[in-house]
Amino acid sequence: AQTVTQSQPEMSVQEAETVTLSCTYDTSESDYYLFWYKQPPSRQMILVIRQEAYKQQNATENRFSVNFQKAAKSFSLKISDSQLGDAAMYFCAYRNAGGTSYGKLTFGQGTILTVHP
Amino acid sequence: KAGVTQTPRYLIKTRGQQVTLSCSPISGHRSVSWYQQTPGQGLQFLFEYFSETQRNKGNFPGRFSGRQFSNSRSEMNVSTLELGDSALYLCASSLTGQGKGEAFFGQGTRLTVV
Repeated sequence: AQTVTQSQPEMSVQEAETVTLSCTYDTSESDYYLFWYKQPPSRQMILVIRQEAYKQQNATENRFSVNFQKAAKSFSLKISDSQLGDAAMYFCAYRNAGGTSYGKLTFGQGTILTVHP
Repeated sequence: KAGVTQTPRYLIKTRGQQVTLSCSPISGHRSVSWYQQTPGQGLQFLFEYFSETQRNKGNFPGRFSGRQFSNSRSEMNVSTLELGDSALYLCASSLTGQGKGEAFFGQGTRLTVV
C-alpha cells in the first residue's frame, strides 16, 4: 500500500516571502501521479499543482513549483511571493497510474500554512 | 460551468440512525469518489463509482455504501451511525477517475453524530 507523509503540521511565512512544504511518499510502483491540493477554511479542496512521475521536469504553476525527487520519493511544494490568500491547509496526494486505483487519491496528513501580513 | 455540489452541507444525526448524502458531479464527469475527513485519520478514501458501477473501495465497514445514478449523481449511505462517523464527507468528480486528471471536490457535508 502507498503512504504519504507530511512532516510539517504547521508552517508560517511572511507575505511576499517564499515557503517550502515537504512531502515524502512510499510506493513500489514506477508510474504514478503526485498532487498538491489546498483546502481553505471554506473546506473546498482545490488542485494547486500536479506532477507525472515519468516526467523529470519539475512542474510549475505561476507562483507554485515543485521539487520532485523520484529516487528519494520526495515531492515538496514551493510557494513564491506568498499572498494572504495562500493561507490554507495543504495536502500532498498520490495516485497510481493504472491497475485498480480508480478514483483513489492517498493523502498526507496536511500542513497548515499561515501567512503573516 | 457548475462545480461539484454536495447536499446537505450540515447534518446532525443520532447514534443508530442512518443517513444519505448526495453529490452532483460536474457535467460530463462520470467518476465520483467519496472521502471521509477527520482530524485524527485525515482524508480516507471510501469508494469510487463510474457509470453506475463501483470500481474501487477503501477499508470501511459495510455500513458505508453508495450508489450512482445514470446521470452520474451519487449518493452515500451510512447505516447504524456511530459517534466515530462524525466527519466531513467530501466527494470528488473527474472525467475518468484515472491518471493525471484533476479531481474536483465539493464543499463537503459535515456530519455530526450525537
